[in-house]
This record gives sequence, structure tokens and C-alpha cells, in this order.
Amino acid sequence: DTGVSQNPRHKITKRGQNVTFRCDPISEHNRLYWYRQTLGQGPEFLTYFQNEAQLEKSRLLSDRFSAERPKGSFSTLEIQRTEQGDSAMYLCASSSLDRNGEKLFFGSGTQLSVL
Amino acid sequence: AQSVAQPEDQVNVAEGNPLTVKCTYSVSGNPYLFWYVQYPNRGLQFLLKYITGDNLVKGSYGFEAEFNKSQTSFHLKKPSALVSDSALYFCAVRLSNTGKLIFGQGTTLQVKP
Repeated sequence: DTGVSQNPRHKITKRGQNVTFRCDPISEHNRLYWYRQTLGQGPEFLTYFQNEAQLEKSRLLSDRFSAERPKGSFSTLEIQRTEQGDSAMYLCASSSLDRNGEKLFFGSGTQLSVL
Repeated sequence: AQSVAQPEDQVNVAEGNPLTVKCTYSVSGNPYLFWYVQYPNRGLQFLLKYITGDNLVKGSYGFEAEFNKSQTSFHLKKPSALVSDSALYFCAVRLSNTGKLIFGQGTTLQVKP
């Protein structure tokens, strides 16, 4: 499968614990995005990388959230001291630019439940 | 503030009938507009996009969308709906100088046989 891969698919944790999610983008894609989606809402942008550089972060991304893409390939999203309000689907997407513009390819997401 | 609105939470159509899923946007500058579809337990899938040029854009699975600048709308259409089109549809806008999408809240399409 050459699509965007996210692990784990589901994560259940207790409030106050730290969690880390991983995203493996499509190999030739140099841009990688993280979004968060809650029930009944559209995805909300969190942050994105071009290669290993983190170019933009949303104000939704509190200081408990950190994302990395150390070698410009896979990315991790860590949430420290989780809160019940962090419960959501975390989506990763990758893209590349060509003469037709940019098209995002999304993974299936990691569903986080904070108890 | 930039925003995307999908005024209908759900659209119900009979199989074989035409369908329309509505989207309006509010942005400054020239928008890039997108439609994505989400099936249960699967990631968002790209349907089509408008960047510039012809206001009628054709995309995957027989879908098309019409860009209307004066009405700031980008409605998704299909001439003949299939039961398999039943899913959650998202409209999104990307500003030309940023790398992020702003999504609408989504519209559930139910196509009944």
C-alpha cells in the first residue's frame, strides 16, 4: 500500500498521560499536514511541514502539542498531559506540488479517546 | 475571517436522481476550492478542485462542481446519484499563499434505492 499510513488506528488513554502518533506519508511527497476532526465537524488544520521544516502552526496547537518530521519523511505528533477535550480523530495528509497545483492525500486517522 | 459553510447537514436523494451538495465560502483573495469525500473508517478522498479557468470542474466518480464568484459558491453536483455515493462530503478552501485547507462542517449524502 503506497498511501498515507497512520499508527495507531485507535488510542485510549487516561487524562494526564502523554501520547504519540505516527504518520508515514507517500514517499515522494514533501509536504505533510496534521489535522484534527471532532464528531460532526470538518477537519481543522493543526500544522504542516515542508520537508523537515515546520512552516505553520495553528493557534489550536497549544504548548502541550508538538510535531516533528526529523528527516523529512515520517512525522510524529505528541500530546502531553492529555485532556478530555483532546479526544478527536487526528488526520495526517501529504502532498506534492506540480503544475496542476497541490492535492492532499489523507490517511485513515488515529482516533484518540481520553478517559 | 475565512470560512466555508455547508448549509445542509444532510441531503437525501433517490438513486438515479440528480444531486446537489451546497457550499459557500468567505475569503479574501483568490480561493482554491476543493471537494473531499469521507467513507466510514476511511480517510478523506479528493474529488475535485477549482484553481482557475472554466467555472465547471469535473472530478472523480462522475462528480462536478460549479464555481460562482458572484455568489461565492462552489456547489457539488452529479447528474445521476448512486447508492454507493452515500458518504460524508466536505467542501474546503485554500488561500493561494498558505499551505492549509479550511473545511466546512460536512454534509451527509444519503442515496436511497
